[in-house]
Parts: sequence; structure tokens; C-alpha cells
Amino acid sequence: AQSVTQLGSHVSVSEGALVLLRCNYSSSVPPYLFWYVQYPNQGLQLLLKYTTGATLVKGINGFEAEFKKSETSFHLTKPSAHMSDAAEYFCAVSRTGGFKTIFGAGTRLFVKA
Amino acid sequence: GAGVSQSPSNKVTEKGKDVELRCDPISGHTALYWYRQRLGQGLEFLIYFQGNSAPDKSGLPSDRFSAERTGESVSTLTIQRTQQEDSAVYLCASSSDRGNTEAFFGQGTRLTVV
Repeated sequence: AQSVTQLGSHVSVSEGALVLLRCNYSSSVPPYLFWYVQYPNQGLQLLLKYTTGATLVKGINGFEAEFKKSETSFHLTKPSAHMSDAAEYFCAVSRTGGFKTIFGAGTRLFVKA
Repeated sequence: GAGVSQSPSNKVTEKGKDVELRCDPISGHTALYWYRQRLGQGLEFLIYFQGNSAPDKSGLPSDRFSAERTGESVSTLTIQRTQQEDSAVYLCASSSDRGNTEAFFGQGTRLTVV
């Protein structure tokens, strides 16, 4: 069975500071990993994904994530937070073969001026 | 269609009434999900349809909740005898069955039970 754990339901950073949102997964087979973002009063949209190949994945708005198999992690980072990054972020894991995607509980990012 | 479409976008209903929420997935997507999101909370998985397989209903919170999907098309989520705790945004998502493609979400239906 697959599962996803997001450490920290709320993360607060200052504008310009590093953003680090943690995601750990468990999977018995090579996983596909995703980060989604939900801006206030909007639906979820894909931020980035890892399927195969390069383990460092770049997404929209300057975000990136690194797949670390040895640590079963897929943490999301951004070097410098912007006020517009304030949103809810969801990590998700899936696998090939028609299995459902599993979402983490989400991390709400607050950005202070 | 171009994206996942949900209707209505907003629904206010009286406690005890039944409601039906609709989701039109992206054409060709075999997988369809329903989630519930309470105010300020994360995603709560409700039900998963994959092609013609039996749906995964493990997330339905009570027997007041049910969902149907005909083939790979429209899905309806029905909540019977609504309660105030059912107030939430109900999100639908669809994806292909290959696993390495993302789920596409609708804008949700905001349900308010008064």
C-alpha cells in the first residue's frame, strides 16, 4: 500500500526566506510523486511531478523538489518566498497500473512581510 | 471538455434534504475521484472510480453518501438527509490510468447545510 506524510500542517516563513515543505512517502514499487498547490478560493493545480529520470524536478513559480529514494522523500523547496506563494500545498503519490493517487493532508504556507 | 466541470458551484440546502453533485471529467480519463474539503482543512478522500472496476468506496463517511459513475463519463455524488457537518467543498478530479499523469481538479461545489 502507498501512503504520504506531510510534516507540518502549517509553515510560516518571511518573505525572501527559504521555503521547505516536507513530504515522505511509502511505496512498494517505484512511485510517481506530485506536488499540487491550492491558492485561496481556488481549485488544486499541479506544481510539479516526478515520474522517471532526473531526480531534481523543477515546477512553476520557482519551486523544485528532489526525489530521494534512500530517504523516501520528495520535499518541496523555493529559495526565496514571495507573498503570492501563500497557499495550501499537497504532496501525492501514485503508481502505474490504475491504482488511485494518494494525497497527503496538506501544508498551509504563510508568508510574512 | 477542456477541464473537469462541477455543478452546481454553490449549493445551499436545508438540513435533512438530499443533494446531488455532478462532475464531468476530462474526456478519456478513466479515473475519477471525489474529495471533501472542510474549511481550512486538507483533502478527505471519499470515493475512487477506475474504468469498469468496482469503485473504492473506503472513504465514504456514512451510508448517507453514495456516488455513481456511468462508464467513463459523468459522476454524481449524492448526500441523503444532509447534516450541518456535511458543509464543505466537494472536489472532483479525473486522470488517466497510467499513474504518471496528474489528476485534474474541478473548481468544486461549495455545499452549505443550514
